[in-house]
Amino acid sequence: SAVISQKPSRDICQRGTSLTIQCQVDSQVTMMFWYRQQPGQSLTLIATANQGSEATYESGFVIDKFPISRPNLTFSTLTVSNMSPEDSSIYLCSVPSGGVAGELFFGEGSRLTVL
Amino acid sequence: AQSVTQPDIHITVSEGASLELRCNYSYGATPYLFWYVQSPGQGLQLLLKYFSGDTLVQGIKGFEAEFKRSQSSFNLRKPSVHWSDAAEYFCAVGGNQFYFGTGTSLTVIP
Repeated sequence: SAVISQKPSRDICQRGTSLTIQCQVDSQVTMMFWYRQQPGQSLTLIATANQGSEATYESGFVIDKFPISRPNLTFSTLTVSNMSPEDSSIYLCSVPSGGVAGELFFGEGSRLTVL
Repeated sequence: AQSVTQPDIHITVSEGASLELRCNYSYGATPYLFWYVQSPGQGLQLLLKYFSGDTLVQGIKGFEAEFKRSQSSFNLRKPSVHWSDAAEYFCAVGGNQFYFGTGTSLTVIP
């Protein structure tokens, strides 16, 4: 199993500002996923971050709004840019256990509230 | 298109009663199926998974789930619910990419 640490665990932000969420994994992983969980809703995949290449964004998510860095095999950041109240969500970092049939391990999430 | 449906948004059961959470999926190939639990303020924890073989899988915390290909279902069950089981439960399907259902919120009453 993988242990995933996310920082910050929660934050309250002002409209128009940006916040960077960090994700640290205790082992080297090729793929890392960033999910968003809006209040009362399920998880929506934002992007897949592979080390050494540009992140791949899902429909509805763009790099200008959610820039992602993946400097090495154990770390990634997700920035939520120019925040609005609609960005209030839990943001989750996730890694697969490996292989096609792997399971996903999740960090505890970063709960953002935008005022 | 791949999708996961959890028809029950919220379920309330008495402590000690049995529980069944429903999950239906649509997937173009042989599905890999998962149930995750999210307790308040916590991340998601894997309860159990089905890849192949025996269609009845056992998980942690006394949970089990049965894969029924003919019904495209993967329902989660527990024979006797404990107060600590109150949480949000998510069904997911996939392999390289995961698709999550909208979740079922479980309330346990004394």
